[in-house]
Parts: sequence; C-alpha cells; structure tokens
Amino acid sequence: EVQLVQSGAEVKKPGDSLKISCKGSGYSFTSYWIGWVRQMPGKGLEWMGIIYPTDSDTRYSPSFRGQVTISVDKSISTAYLQWSSLKASDTAMYYCARRGVSGGGVDYWGQGTLVTVSS
Amino acid sequence: QSALTQPASVSGSPGQSITISCTGTRSDVGGYNFVSWYQQHPGKAPKLTIYDVRTRPSGVSNRFSGSKSGNTASLTISGLQAEDEADYYCSSYTSSTTLGVFGGGTKLTVL
Repeated sequence: EVQLVQSGAEVKKPGDSLKISCKGSGYSFTSYWIGWVRQMPGKGLEWMGIIYPTDSDTRYSPSFRGQVTISVDKSISTAYLQWSSLKASDTAMYYCARRGVSGGGVDYWGQGTLVTVSS
Repeated sequence: QSALTQPASVSGSPGQSITISCTGTRSDVGGYNFVSWYQQHPGKAPKLTIYDVRTRPSGVSNRFSGSKSGNTASLTISGLQAEDEADYYCSSYTSSTTLGVFGGGTKLTVL
C-alpha cells in the first residue's frame, strides 16, 4: 500500500526555522516526483515545488523560490520542506504529494502538516 | 488569481446531477488531456477522483465522470449523495510551468 506519512503539527514564532518531512512507503520512492502543496486557511491548493528523488532535481514555483527549500534523503525515502525564517503568512496546511499520474497529476497525498506561526 | 477558473459553489439535491466547470487556456486545459480532479472533505487531504480528463482511479464511484470541450473541463457527479459534499479542485498540466496549475476550488453543497 502506497503511503506518504508527514511529520506532526508545528507551532513556531516569526523568525524561527523549520523543516517538515514526508516519508514514502509501499512503492519505489525514487521513481516518482514528489511535490509540496500549500493550503492557506480557507483557501485553495498551490504548488510550491517538486523534487525527483533519484537525482534531487528540484523545481520551484516562482512564488516560493527563495522562500523555502525542498530536499530529499532517498536512503530513507523521505522528502523535506524547510524554512529559514518563518513569517506569520506561512501559517497553512502543507501537503506532500506523489505525482504518479500523467502530466504531473497527484495520485497519493500525505495527511498534511499544519504549520502555525504566531508571536 | 488561480490559473484555472472554477465556480465558487454549486449545489444540488440528493439524487440529482451536478457539473463543475474548470476553464483554462490553450496552454493548459485546451492543449493537453492531463486534467485531474480532486475531492477534499473538511479537514482531510485531497483525494484523486478523475485523471487524464475522464479516467477514474480504482475505487472511485462511477457516479463521477469527467469530460473536456475546448479550454473547459468538467466534472459531473450523478445521483448526488450526502457524502459528495466537499470541495473539488481541478488541475492541469501547463506549458508555462512544470509544476502544473490548480483551479480555485468549488464547494459542493448537497441540499
């Protein structure tokens, strides 16, 4: 069974750093692009970026380039999303997603990690 | 401003059919047969419902169907049930970016 299991909810202060994770299992982790999707409270879905675990080829949405870093450790089938200095506007649910469908569509989603940034 | 345009809300009574539209351009919806639809219940992760315009993943009810005409894709749900009440998002491959684009989402209310 394919599963993407994300790390737990986080409460941080503005200026803090953070790294959240997404562990894949039940499939060949290096064979599929993994992406990160942001959903702000009451809003829609936004692609942040994607990474190919085999060679760490990474693509960012222009809106998120320079704001976050996406990485992967293929030895433990885990992808990461990190911030060096959080802002209140980073408060959102973050989903990792396996792009296993034609044209980059998502066939499996993680359960989501809620990040709350508040002073 | 989302790249793909969806109605903010639609509603229908149990047993009825509804259709949600997703309008893009020739650079995305109109140019490729890579449109997906996702269902998201409150507090839950999205779930793939349709891909490649009209293909249902295993386990998805055949009450869900997809189609496309020109730059507009559509998701039709027939025989509405209370459990269908959710947010629905379309997405498409686009020549503008390798990431793809989402629609703004449509809230389906079952009356």
